[in-house]
Amino acid sequence: EPEVTQTPSHQVTQMGQEVILRCVPISNHLYFYWYRQILGQKVEFLVSFYNNEISEKSEIFDDQFSVERPDGSNFTLKIRSTKLEDSAMYFCASRTRGTSGTDTQYFGPGTRLTVL
Amino acid sequence: RKEVEQDPGPFNVPEGATVAFNCTYSNSASQSFFWYRQDCRKEPKLLMSVYSSGNEDGRFTAQLNRASQYISLLIRDSKLSDSATYLCVVVRAGANNLFFGTGTRLTVIP
Repeated sequence: EPEVTQTPSHQVTQMGQEVILRCVPISNHLYFYWYRQILGQKVEFLVSFYNNEISEKSEIFDDQFSVERPDGSNFTLKIRSTKLEDSAMYFCASRTRGTSGTDTQYFGPGTRLTVL
Repeated sequence: RKEVEQDPGPFNVPEGATVAFNCTYSNSASQSFFWYRQDCRKEPKLLMSVYSSGNEDGRFTAQLNRASQYISLLIRDSKLSDSATYLCVVVRAGANNLFFGTGTRLTVIP
């Protein structure tokens, strides 16, 4: 069964450093997402991406964040200057083409980001 | 008011018990509803979609009441493997991102 993959599984970084989290969505999917989950809290939407551009973003997704699909298979989330409060599990998700949000989003296993 | 509200639990039930989880959502324009399951430190996985007519998948039954903006999940004959956090998830009309509740933690005890 096809699945979303994410690397690394765990990233430790110093405050102020840049990190890039990588995702490989399911191959025939066209919508891509990043969510985050701070330990003990709910899963929160960050950004959605379709047709090589951001389609929606939340208030969390400020200028420190950016996304890219550099090569047609990878989907990356960059945090330019990490803060302690960026420590969380970051999930990538993807879904097939559809005109609404009803198609199932499939989640990757997540990258645990720890900012020291 | 939160987009999606759930009783966080925990619910501790014996094997074989029936347990029900409830969820309310605040945006009346919400159009799609789901229950996801999340195991400790793992990704959310779709358990089932929720339809207005109610739907059943084996031991799991989901109900939606649009008038009350209320969603429920019933688990019959609980198994040890049902132990997890159950996430109520909503999609607004015109959007395609998921809004998650905080989740309800279930532990099934032998």
